[in-house]
Amino acid sequence: DTGVSQNPRHKITKRGQNVTFRCDPISEHNRLYWYRQTLGQGPEFLTYFQNEAQLEKSRLLSDRFSAERPKGSFSTLEIQRTEQGDSAMYLCASSTTGTGEDEQFFGPGTRLTVL
Amino acid sequence: EDQVTQSPEALRLQEGESSSLNCSYTVSGLRGLFWYRQDPGKGPEFLFTLYSAGEEKEKERLKATLTKKESFLHITAPKPEDSATYLCAVRIVSGYALNFGKGTSLLVTP
Repeated sequence: DTGVSQNPRHKITKRGQNVTFRCDPISEHNRLYWYRQTLGQGPEFLTYFQNEAQLEKSRLLSDRFSAERPKGSFSTLEIQRTEQGDSAMYLCASSTTGTGEDEQFFGPGTRLTVL
Repeated sequence: EDQVTQSPEALRLQEGESSSLNCSYTVSGLRGLFWYRQDPGKGPEFLFTLYSAGEEKEKERLKATLTKKESFLHITAPKPEDSATYLCAVRIVSGYALNFGKGTSLLVTP
């Protein structure tokens, strides 16, 4: 039984570069979420997909951020023109529909450092 | 605006010394309140979901309770392996996002 996986686990980039992260949810889960967490804070919601449809986006998701889930399976989160303030842990979570639908299961995260 | 406040920010306990963590919330229409455990450098690990005032859930040394304004995570006779950050989150009826508090960092010493 595999959980949520995320790649890469760590990413170091220079300011102004573009980065892309990948999330593979639990196989039978059709709901997928992205969160961002900085040191000493709880995770902050970024966006939500049900299957391939992006149904909810946070005000935190500026136009430099874009997320996709083209076939309703894995998802990617791209940050364009990175800034030092983008340094954070990017977390992906997934959940099912029906029984247990409220329980979001998180992956290990991708830690981004922008120099 | 929806708000989740956790206290204390940090807690140090001796092994076997029971205590409680608090999560106060202000939301417009609560769908559920969630407790997670997070170890350093890892993603949050799901512990409990609570839906209505008076509800209680238990798992090993942990028990979560819910009122209309707050939730408590009671830790009975903790062990050093219970050391972690404990996060509380709420989800409102009209949304899918979890709104997290800042967490309580728990250290249990032998």
